[in-house]
Amino acid sequence: DTGVSQNPRHKITKRGQNVTFRCDPISEHNRLYWYRQTLGQGPEFLTYFQNEAQLEKSRLLSDRFSAERPKGSFSTLEIQRTEQGDSAMYLCASSFPSGSFSYEQYFGPGTRLTVT
Amino acid sequence: GDSVTQMEGPVTLSEEAFLTINCTYTATGYPSLFWYVQYPGEGLQLLLKATKADDKGSNKGFEATYRKETTSFHLEKGSVQVSDSAVYFCALIGGSQGNLIFGKGTKLSVKP
Repeated sequence: DTGVSQNPRHKITKRGQNVTFRCDPISEHNRLYWYRQTLGQGPEFLTYFQNEAQLEKSRLLSDRFSAERPKGSFSTLEIQRTEQGDSAMYLCASSFPSGSFSYEQYFGPGTRLTVT
Repeated sequence: GDSVTQMEGPVTLSEEAFLTINCTYTATGYPSLFWYVQYPGEGLQLLLKATKADDKGSNKGFEATYRKETTSFHLEKGSVQVSDSAVYFCALIGGSQGNLIFGKGTKLSVKP
C-alpha cells in the first residue's frame, strides 16, 4: 500500500492556459473523489467516481473542469482556460469498495495550482 | 444542505494543556462524523471517526463523542504536545455519493 499519489505537486500557470492533474488511488479502492481547498477553508467536494463511472459533480465544477477515470484506476482532472480564481490545492481521495459510506477516505498530498 | 461549523482559530496552547475544539453540524439523518488532521506540509489524515449516536472515536490521545441531541462532535485531548500542532478539520459524510463535507479548520499551535 503506497498510499494515494498526486502529480504534479505544484503547478504554476498563466491565466488562460490548460492544466491537467493526475491522481493514483490506492490500488484496491474503487471509489475516487476530487476536492478543492482554498486558503483558510476546508476542502470542498468537486466530483466522485465509482470505478470508471463519474457519478456526481458539484456545482463548483464549472464547464471548464473535466475529470476522467478511464480504466477505473488513475484519474485526471483538467482545467481549461484557467482563471486566477482557480488557484487552490486540488486533493484526491480514495476509499474501499463498500455499501457503507462510513469507510475512511485516504487523501493524497494534493496539487497546488497557482494561476498568474 | 448539510454543513459543519467549527470554532475559529488559531488556538495557541502551552504543552500539556487541555484542548477542546468545538464542532457542530447540520444534516438530515445521522451522518458519520470525522476529525481529520493536516500537519504542516502533509496531506489530510483521518484522526478519528464515529458512525452513530453516542459513539466515541479515539486515537493518539484525542477523543470525540457523537452527540445527536446537541448535533456536536467536539474534539478533546487531555494533554497536548508540540507535535500536535496542525490544522484540525471536522467533517461529515454528506451528499448522495458519500462525499465529505468539511468545516473551515482550526489551526492549533502548541508552545513548549
